Amino acid sequence: DVKVTQSSRYLVKRTGEKVFLECVQDMDHENMFWYRQDPGLGLRLIYFSYDVKMKEKGDIPEGYSVSREKKERFSLILESASTNQTSMYLCASSANRGRFSQPQHFGDGTRLSIL
Amino acid sequence: SQQGEEDPQALSIQEGENATMNCSYKTSINNLQWYRQNSGRGLVHLILIRSNEREKHSGRLRVTLDTSKKSSSLLITASRAADTASYFCATADRGSTLGRLYFGRGTQLTVWP
Repeated sequence: DVKVTQSSRYLVKRTGEKVFLECVQDMDHENMFWYRQDPGLGLRLIYFSYDVKMKEKGDIPEGYSVSREKKERFSLILESASTNQTSMYLCASSANRGRFSQPQHFGDGTRLSIL
Repeated sequence: SQQGEEDPQALSIQEGENATMNCSYKTSINNLQWYRQNSGRGLVHLILIRSNEREKHSGRLRVTLDTSKKSSSLLITASRAADTASYFCATADRGSTLGRLYFGRGTQLTVWP
C-alpha cells in the first residue's frame, strides 16, 4: 500500500514565524500535491509538483512556497505565518500515467494553528 | 470555478438504508473519482470511472456517470454506521495535465445505528 507521511499531526506556531510542513511518500510517485482544507470551502490546491525541482502554482499559492529536492519528499513553507493560514493541510501523491489523472493518495493531514 | 459540486451537503440515514450522493461538474473530463474522508483524517480513494464508462461497481458502492449532463452519483447500499464520513467527488479535466484533480466541497454522511 502507498504510504504518505506528514511530519506532524498537530502544530502550533506564532505569527511571523517561518513554518515547514514535510511530506514523504514511499511509492516512487512523480506527482505530489499540497492542499488546505477549511470548513465549507473543501480542498483547495496550494502547489503541486510533477518532478524533482519542478513546481506549479495551484489556486491559492500566496503566502506559501514549496521545495522538492528529492522525489519522495515535498515540503510546504509558510514564509511568514499569519492567523488566516490556520487550517488543515493535506499532502497527496499520485503516479504519472500521461494525460489520465490517477488516484491520489493522502496523508493524514497536519492541523496547523497560528497564534 | 472548475470545482465540482456535491449534493446534498449533508445526509442522515439509518443503518441498512441506501445513501445516494450526487456530483455535478462544468468541464469535459477524462475521469471522475470518489473519495471518502473520516473525521480528522486524510482522504481515501474509493473508485474511478472513466469518461467512456456509464456505471461501475465496487463492493457496496455503485457509481454512475452521465457526461451529457455532467453529473455523477455515488450509491452506498445497505449502509453501516462505519460508513459515516465525508464523501468527495474529484474530476480529472480533459485539458489538464500533471495529475491535477478538482475536488468538490463534499457530502457529510451520517449513518445512525
